[in-house]
Order: sequence, then C-alpha cells, then structure tokens
Amino acid sequence: DTAVSQTPKYLVTQMGNDKSIKCEQNLGHDTMYWYKQDSKKFLKIMFSYNNKELIINETVPNRFSPKSPDKAHLNLHINSLELGDSAVYFCASSQDSPYGYTFGSGTRLTVV
Amino acid sequence: GEDVEQSLFLSVREGDSSVINCTYTDSSSTYLYWYKQEPGAGLQLLTYIFSNMDMKQDQRLTVLLNKKDKHLSLRIADTQTGDSAIYFCAEGDTGRRALTFGSGTRLQVQP
Repeated sequence: DTAVSQTPKYLVTQMGNDKSIKCEQNLGHDTMYWYKQDSKKFLKIMFSYNNKELIINETVPNRFSPKSPDKAHLNLHINSLELGDSAVYFCASSQDSPYGYTFGSGTRLTVV
Repeated sequence: GEDVEQSLFLSVREGDSSVINCTYTDSSSTYLYWYKQEPGAGLQLLTYIFSNMDMKQDQRLTVLLNKKDKHLSLRIADTQTGDSAIYFCAEGDTGRRALTFGSGTRLQVQP
C-alpha cells in the first residue's frame, strides 16, 4: 500500500550512460515533484508537474528530462550521466496546501 | 529568492527536551512544515503550522512561530533515541511554488 513508490532504490552506473527513475503515487494527488538531495542533505526542487503539466522547471541541466504520462506517474530520465549527478533523488506528491508533501523513499544514484 | 536556514547539529540526552530552530526569509510564506528523515528513508511530515498561528501542539511536539522575526522552532518533549534523525523545516505559499527546505538539523539522542 505504498503511497509514493520509486524504482529503483539504488542505481550505480558509469559516466556517460543514460538512466531512468520511475515514480508512482496512489494517493490521487494532482501534483508531483522531483527533488535532489546532495551529500550534505540539502534538498533542491528540480521539477513539478500538475495534472501532467510542467509547472516548475528549475535551473537543471537539460540532460534531465521529466515525463508524466498521467497524473499518477512522474519519471525522470537522465542522459549522459556525470559524476556530479550522484545524489539521492526524491519523488513527492501533494494535493492542495496545507497538507504538505508525501515523499517516496528515494533513489540513490551513484555515477562512477 | 526564498531562503531557509537551520543549525546543522543538536545533541541531547534521552528524556530531555530538544529544540530545533529555523529561520526563513520569504514573507509570503503561508505554511511552515517540519519533516523528519531517518537514515535511508524519505521525508516524513511531522506537523505544519499556518502563518497566522503562533503555536501548535501535537502530543510531544510543539511548534512555535514568530512571524515578525520569521523564526520557527520545533520542541520535542521527552526526547527518545527513536527521535534521532534529520529534521527539516520547509516553507510554502498558496501559489504554485514548490516547498523550500532548510538544510536539515541532525538530532542525536544520547542514552
């Protein structure tokens, strides 16, 4: 009965590869997000989709491309992976404020 | 832009109270949140407070908001070893802007 599920949980890959992370929520929320958490635990918003519409696109390299096939799914595709992409990526979803976000358990990406 | 700051580390003894502080800069913040992150896990919403409130209590948790100083605190009474985690404050508004998170405070509870 996981509310926000991400796959895979761990991803180790070589520089230059292309990889995808998938996220699904079964809460019926309208908005989904991708956050990046760096090694110092700092969380930074990357993208946000509301009902399949991109509403937030922060300063993220265009090697990162989100895709939302429907409002329950938000996937993240990363091209030409670099060492600096190593981080934990969190998916989250929300309905209207003020109830905050529900987070997935994260995907730890390690680029070697 | 929005900025949210927290101290990085707090150590307390089991049974004591813990107070984690947070400051933010955006005066349009409507909602303020506290999240808890345990090792290897995602962020779990602990509590939230509207910007027109001064205080909110929820069992062992007390949130205090000083809107004038843009200062938010989370007090955990009778801190237990299971409370050891990273605590994030976050702020948001009623618009489409995503939540802005602080850098997190690592709470260590000594037995």
